[in-house]
Amino acid sequence: DSGVTQTPKHLITATGQRVTLRCSPRSGDLSVYWYQQSLDQGLQFLIQYYNGEERAKGNILERFSAQQFPDLHSELNLSSLELGDSALYFCASSVRPEETQYFGPGTRLLVL
Amino acid sequence: EDQVTQSPEALRLQEGESSSLNCSYTVSGLRGLFWYRQDPGKGPEFLFTLYSAGEEKEKERLKATLTKKESFLHITAPKPEDSATYLCAVQEGTSYGKLTFGQGTILTVHP
Repeated sequence: DSGVTQTPKHLITATGQRVTLRCSPRSGDLSVYWYQQSLDQGLQFLIQYYNGEERAKGNILERFSAQQFPDLHSELNLSSLELGDSALYFCASSVRPEETQYFGPGTRLLVL
Repeated sequence: EDQVTQSPEALRLQEGESSSLNCSYTVSGLRGLFWYRQDPGKGPEFLFTLYSAGEEKEKERLKATLTKKESFLHITAPKPEDSATYLCAVQEGTSYGKLTFGQGTILTVHP
């Protein structure tokens, strides 16, 4: 157990819908990262927050957005969902950006 | 753009048969190279961080090494419970922590 928690574990929804994935970092970690893992793309970096502020963006779609709250938990919002958004979404956290990232168990999203 | 290539894509070993996994990388200013283990449907589990060429780290049957262009994960006398996907990732100096991952090596150890 890494100490990073993610909810829900599984999510099944329809195309065009909107979902919210939640992440609680390890105690003491200020930095939160979101990654997407699909069979053909592997693990891809989406976005990073540090102490409530966005610090880096990867190839995150405009339909996706995220935020980190004052209590340091983070939410990833996915809207206008498409079949291709089906994937595992992982949250990771670290004390500081340059330090080791610990991953949560992931949320498996299936868009039908 | 940072690139990470892992080989082989898949590796099948007999229990006790030692081998190595390779991770080749291209990055402008390496801050760190990370190895993770991932079981099916689970999150990546941290194994090692290497920061500079020549550095080595060990944990049980695993040993990670780093050169200026690649890293190796050596597995000595593997057991079936070592079966997993092993992921390599690099962190570039100005990336604010972003990890760029390779596609992984799927290791299967047969009893």
